[in-house]
Amino acid sequence: ETGVTQSPTHLIKTRGQQVTLRCSSQSGHNTVSWYQQALGQGPQFIFQYYREEENGRGNFPPRFSGLQFPNYSSELNVNALELDDSALYLCASSLRQGKNEQYFGPGTRLTVT
Amino acid sequence: AQKVTQAQTEISVVEKEDVTLDCVYETRDTTYYLFWYKQPPSGELVFLIRRNSFDEQNEISGRYSWNFQKSTSSFNFTITASQVVDSAVYFCALSEDGTYKYIFGTGTRLKVLA
Repeated sequence: ETGVTQSPTHLIKTRGQQVTLRCSSQSGHNTVSWYQQALGQGPQFIFQYYREEENGRGNFPPRFSGLQFPNYSSELNVNALELDDSALYLCASSLRQGKNEQYFGPGTRLTVT
Repeated sequence: AQKVTQAQTEISVVEKEDVTLDCVYETRDTTYYLFWYKQPPSGELVFLIRRNSFDEQNEISGRYSWNFQKSTSSFNFTITASQVVDSAVYFCALSEDGTYKYIFGTGTRLKVLA
C-alpha cells in the first residue's frame, strides 16, 4: 500500500449537483495531483497542488477546483456535475524535489446520473 | 506535443509464457521521465519503475524487465514466466522535466490464463 487514502470510495450524484472528494497524501509528501480516469482510458491530469497553491492544470474547465491544506491533504471539488464527469478520480502524492514518481490512492468512483 | 501510445489494447497469454507490453512516447524535451504502473481490478495504480531520459540501461527486477531505447522512443516492459496474479491493466506514462504531471497511455489489459 502507498499510504495515500481517498474518500469516499464510491459516490452517486445527480447532474447539476456539486461534489467534494478528499485525499490524504503519503507521509512526508508535499505535492498532490488529481487525475480523472474514464472507463477504459488512461488517467487524465486535472491539476496539481504544491504548498497549498495550484501548480499546473490540465485541460479541465474551471468547475473543477481544488484545495491543499497545511498538512498536505487535498480536496477536489466539481460543480455543476455532468454525465461525462462519471469516472474514477485518482489522487497521487509525491515529493516536489527529488524523485518524480507519484504514489496513487485507491480512487473514488463517481457516478453521475 | 507529448504523447504516449500503447498500441496493444488487450493481450491474453497462458501462465508461464513470456509477454512484452509496448510503449512508444513522443516528447520534444531532452529531459523526461518514463514510468510503468500496474492497475489491478481494485483500481489503485501501483508504481513499477521510473526511468529518466539519460539512463538507457535496461533493468531487471525479478520476473520484470524493461527495455528503454531512445532511438525508437520506446520503453517496453517484459514479464517472464507470467502468473495469473499479473493479470491487470498496465499503463506507461511520460513526465517532462519540471512539469510534474504525467501523460498516460491508454493502457494494455493483460490476461494471464491458468
